[in-house]
Amino acid sequence: EVQLVESGGGLVKPGGSLRLSCAASGFTFSSYSMNWVRQAPGKGLEWVSSISSSSSYIYYADSVKGRFTISRDNAKNSLFLQMNSLRVEDTAVYYCARDSSSGDYVNNYFDYWGQGTLVTVSS
Amino acid sequence: AIRMTQSPSSFSASTGDRVTITCRASQGISSYLAWYQQKPGKAPKLLIYAASTLQSGVPSRFSGSGSGTDFTLTISCLQSEDFATYYCQQYYTYPLTFGGGTKVEIK
Repeated sequence: EVQLVESGGGLVKPGGSLRLSCAASGFTFSSYSMNWVRQAPGKGLEWVSSISSSSSYIYYADSVKGRFTISRDNAKNSLFLQMNSLRVEDTAVYYCARDSSSGDYVNNYFDYWGQGTLVTVSS
Repeated sequence: AIRMTQSPSSFSASTGDRVTITCRASQGISSYLAWYQQKPGKAPKLLIYAASTLQSGVPSRFSGSGSGTDFTLTISCLQSEDFATYYCQQYYTYPLTFGGGTKVEIK
């Protein structure tokens, strides 16, 4: 069974940092591109970042570019999001999501999602 | 960035109704469109990809159509478990973008 379990969320002050993790199991993690998608309270979904299976290709939304860093450790089946210079508007539930295609071809739509971890940025 | 506009943003319907949700892209995206269902407090669930291909395990009452800029999600006979919020997503190009969502409520 595919499982994605996020952790690392919490309350942080504006300007602070936080590192999110996503532990993957039930599939060959190293074969799939992975993503972070967030959802502000009561709002819609916003794609944040994508990383290819070998970390060769990385993409970010303009809203987080230069502040967030996506990475992965295929040996530990883990995905990360380092979030720096956090802003109030970064408050959201952060989901990790698996690309629906394995290997070199990336579909960029998501077939499995974690349960999310809440990040609250407030003074 | 490609803007995805869904309509309506919310509506009420009854069990057994046929419902249609529309998603419009600000520029052509061929058929690179996915639909998700999200229930309160839960992660989104993939329903449809490539505009009209049903994800494995999704009931056949769900269907999608469209290409270019205009797309629809249809639920042929609304069931109680279908009351949720639905999102479209384009994956034609980065940044990947979602529509604002359509909430289907019980009448």
